[in-house]
Formats: sequence, C-alpha cells, structure tokens
Amino acid sequence: AQSVTQLDSQVPVFEEAPVELRCNYSSSVSVYLFWYVQYPNQGLQLLLKYLSGSTLVKGINGFEAEFNKSQTSFHLRKPSVHISDTAEYFCAVSDPNTGFQKLVFGTGTRLLVSP
Amino acid sequence: DADVTQTPRNRITKTGKRIMLECSQTKGHDRMYWYRQDPGLGLRLIYYSFDVKDINKGEISDGYSVSRQAQAKFSLSLESAIPNQTALYFCATSDMTGLATDTQYFGPGTRLTVL
Repeated sequence: AQSVTQLDSQVPVFEEAPVELRCNYSSSVSVYLFWYVQYPNQGLQLLLKYLSGSTLVKGINGFEAEFNKSQTSFHLRKPSVHISDTAEYFCAVSDPNTGFQKLVFGTGTRLLVSP
Repeated sequence: DADVTQTPRNRITKTGKRIMLECSQTKGHDRMYWYRQDPGLGLRLIYYSFDVKDINKGEISDGYSVSRQAQAKFSLSLESAIPNQTALYFCATSDMTGLATDTQYFGPGTRLTVL
C-alpha cells in the first residue's frame, strides 16, 4: 500500500527566506505525486503535480518540487517566502494504474512565515 | 461564486443524532469525493462516486452513508453521530478523464463537532 510521510509538522521561517518542505513516499510501483495547499478556513488547492518527464516541477505562487526516485522523495521548495504563504501544505500520492485519482495524503506541514 | 460549496460550514450536534452534510458543484464534473481531516492525520477518503449510479466506499466508510442525488449534488450522512466523528469534512470533485492525473477541486469544508 502507498503511504506518504511528511517529516515536519511545522516549519517556522522568516519572510524572504528560502524554505523546503519534505515529503517521502512509499510505493513499490510508479506513482503520481501532488502538493496541495490549505489556507486558513479554506479548502485544499493544487500547487503542483508530478506525472512523468522532468523531475523538476514548477507550480503556482513560485513553488517548485523535485521528484527523486532513488530517494523516494518529492520535496517542495520556494526561494523566498511571503507572509501570505502561511498555510498548511499536504503531499499526496496516487497510483497511475487505478484508473482514477485515489489520493493518499500525508499528515501535513504547517508553514509559519513571520516578518 | 464558488465552484464547490458545502453546507453547513459549521455544525454542532449531539451523540446519536442523524446529520447530513451537503455538497454542490457547478464545475460539471462527474466524480465527487468525501474526505475527513483530523489533526495530525491528514485527509482520509470516506466515499467516492463516479456518477449518480456508481458509489464506492473509501478508506474509512464505517458509520457513514452517502447519496448522489444528481450529478451536481453529493451528500454525506452520519446516521448516529458519535464524538470520534468530530472532524473537518471536505467534498471534492474531478473530471472524468479516466486517469489518475485528474485534478481534484475541494470545497471550503464543514467543521462538525459531536458532543
């Protein structure tokens, strides 16, 4: 069965500093990988997704993630964060062979950006 | 107007009561999903529906039932609510391209408290 581990439950960072949110997955088959963001009192919104091809994926709001098959990781990065990036971030995985998107989510990482 | 709406946004109920959470979408998507979110556990899939006549159990369906009244409406019911069903509930939709690459679009969530 697939699983996702987000090692950091909370990441505090100062505005304009770089940030990396870590995600590792466990699967014996190929996977699709996703990062979702949840702003306070809102639903989840897709940031970016890896399906195939280039291992560096660019998303919205200046975020990017790199798929590393050998390390089974899909870490999310942003070179300079803003106060407005304060939110909870979820990594998720799905099996390309299921025929539909059955997402398995990680436990989330709360990004706290302070001035 | 939001593409995926959920009602109510907040609900407090008592143990043993029947409660229904409703989800409506204007995206014209065939697939709809119900998730629950618990602190430290991420999102878990309760039920999903590919169309009005196709409803499937997810990871944690015990204690829940659903109804797909129309393409645009998908309701989640708790027949006899219990305190450990206190959680944030999300509805999501996706288009039916038949692939695990489909993006899911989430509603704003319903915060349910069972006393």
